Amino acid sequence: KAGVTQTPRYLIKTRGQQVTLSCSPISGHRSVSWYQQTPGQGLQFLFEYFSETQRNKGNFPGRFSGRQFSNSRSEMNVSTLELGDSALYLCASSLWGSDEQFFGPGTRLTVL
Amino acid sequence: TQLLEQSPQFLSIQEGENLTVYCNSSSVFSSLQWYRQEPGEGPVLLVTVVTGGEVKKLKRLTFQFGDARKDSSLHITAAQPGDTGLYLCAGAKSGAGSYQLTFGKGTKLSVIP
Repeated sequence: KAGVTQTPRYLIKTRGQQVTLSCSPISGHRSVSWYQQTPGQGLQFLFEYFSETQRNKGNFPGRFSGRQFSNSRSEMNVSTLELGDSALYLCASSLWGSDEQFFGPGTRLTVL
Repeated sequence: TQLLEQSPQFLSIQEGENLTVYCNSSSVFSSLQWYRQEPGEGPVLLVTVVTGGEVKKLKRLTFQFGDARKDSSLHITAAQPGDTGLYLCAGAKSGAGSYQLTFGKGTKLSVIP
């Protein structure tokens, strides 16, 4: 069974731009969560989607948004990029009702 | 507010030594998970512990969940260079069908041959 895939793997943007990251969950997994990982803060929860609905949201500004499609694929968008948005963005999928999450390799975003 | 505290933050040991990593919280979790992450990759799930006092073994790795389901430990026996990585604990809180993981900041382990 294929794992969680994320595209692109690496991205370089400049301040003020916007970016869209994509995540394809494991087949059959309908819950998708997004995390931001930085050396200083570790992994921080962004949001979780299930059946195209956002069920949970972390403490991030409104510049961070996401959506989920009917095939469970998910995208997250960051608008008006800031230098502090440079991070590894991780997507994880899980079966409904399970605490166990399976992570993708992440997208490394660098904001210059 | 960091709900899960991991210690130590960094650990460098010789091959063959034993080590223990701790994960502590003031919150109760429905389950606690341990992940290992290698540079440039996403975390890989090692184990999930659910019941207070539960002990699980994965080859040379022993995981324990505290009786009150607030803390956990990971013990590695006879560490190998392949054990090198970032070890993360994550607590799950479930409610109304929604799940959210809170991660500790991790323990960076280096095993020197």
